[in-house]
Amino acid sequence: QQQVKQSPQSLIVQKGGISIINCAYENTAFDYFPWYQQFPGKGPALLIAIRPDVSEKKEGRFTISFNKSAKQFSLHIMDSQPGDSATYFCAASIRGANNLFFGTGTRLTVIP
Amino acid sequence: GAVVSQHPSRVICKSGTSVKIECRSLDFQATTMFWYRQFPKQSLMLMATSNEGSKATYEQGVEKDKFLINHASLTLSTLTVTSAHPEDSSFYICSAEEMRNTIYFGEGSWLTVV
Repeated sequence: QQQVKQSPQSLIVQKGGISIINCAYENTAFDYFPWYQQFPGKGPALLIAIRPDVSEKKEGRFTISFNKSAKQFSLHIMDSQPGDSATYFCAASIRGANNLFFGTGTRLTVIP
Repeated sequence: GAVVSQHPSRVICKSGTSVKIECRSLDFQATTMFWYRQFPKQSLMLMATSNEGSKATYEQGVEKDKFLINHASLTLSTLTVTSAHPEDSSFYICSAEEMRNTIYFGEGSWLTVV
């Protein structure tokens, strides 16, 4: 059973546009929600993460929006650039349980 | 940010041989490290959780005698694929948990068994 559901599977955005990737979860015990960026042939790199005590976290062009009641969180990439083209994974974990549950990934392509 | 190093980044081995992949946390101590496997265009699949000084905890369906994990120190965990076969060819990724409950990933290791 997929603990974290991610959509869309693929996304094409024009340069300068906003990329939005959504994730949903069921387990209310999750309390850590990171996003990872993975380029082909490389390991995932931590992009940004949020804990459920805040509804939004922004780092540069990347913003996580978190809706605790809906059990959803999303990644927004503002002013998307071709260099942002990668696969993005959302994940969730329970503090103390350590291991991450990953979404299925979203392949983002930003076209010039 | 914290850095996790994996070595080798690419390895080719003959069927039937064993290959070892190292995962090191370079600037923090990691009591817990994780090993994942990733098939092309798919998400990461957790193989096992490795705790320093104790036996690894394997996920269901992962053969512990085939994928040997050793976490001998707070900065090093190793994955040994024993008697490798072509179907073991994959991208193997480790991650390590920093004290602030943040998890960092290594660059991954491509294993090709011929």
